[in-house]
Amino acid sequence: AQSVTQPDIHITVSEGASLELRCNYSYGATPYLFWYVQSPGQGLQLLLKYFSGDTLVQGIKGFEAEFKRSQSSFNLRKPSVHWSDAAEYFCAVGVYYGNKLVFGAGTILRVKS
Amino acid sequence: DGGITQSPKYLFRKEGQNVTLSCEQNLNHDAMYWYRQDPGQGLRLIYYSQIVNDFQKGDIAEGYSVSREKKESFPLTVTSAQKNPTAFYLCASSKGDSVNQETQYFGPGTRLLVL
Repeated sequence: AQSVTQPDIHITVSEGASLELRCNYSYGATPYLFWYVQSPGQGLQLLLKYFSGDTLVQGIKGFEAEFKRSQSSFNLRKPSVHWSDAAEYFCAVGVYYGNKLVFGAGTILRVKS
Repeated sequence: DGGITQSPKYLFRKEGQNVTLSCEQNLNHDAMYWYRQDPGQGLRLIYYSQIVNDFQKGDIAEGYSVSREKKESFPLTVTSAQKNPTAFYLCASSKGDSVNQETQYFGPGTRLLVL
């Protein structure tokens, strides 16, 4: 069965430092991959998605992610973190036929000044 | 502005009571979804609907029911059979014109608490 693992429950980075959030998936076919961000008590906002083509995907707010098939990974990166990036980040894989999403457990990002 | 609205923002349920969460979208999307979010567990799919008058169970449908009488609306009822309903509930929608490769857009959520 398909699954998504986000190994880090919490991550703390200093403002201005670089960020990498890890995501590993298990899926038998070519995956459709997503990163969403959630501020406390709010809904999810799409940051970026990978369907096919270039394995380095650019998203909103300066985020990017790289799909590595050999490592079954889709890690999210940002070169310089801002305090407003503090939130919870979810990686998800899209399941064929039915358009269902399987989510990871999330990574809470804290930004220290 | 197009989007997804959920109401109420907070909902309180008494023992043995059924409660209904509202989800409305004006994005002209065919597909709609309900997820439950618990701390440390990510989001889990409750029900989804790809077209009016049709819906399918997700991974955790027990204790929940839905209807899809209008394209814009996909209400979720949490029945008394759901023994642990305290959670954050998120509604989403997608275009529904493809069997895959669709992006889901989320509403702001409803927090359900048990009295």
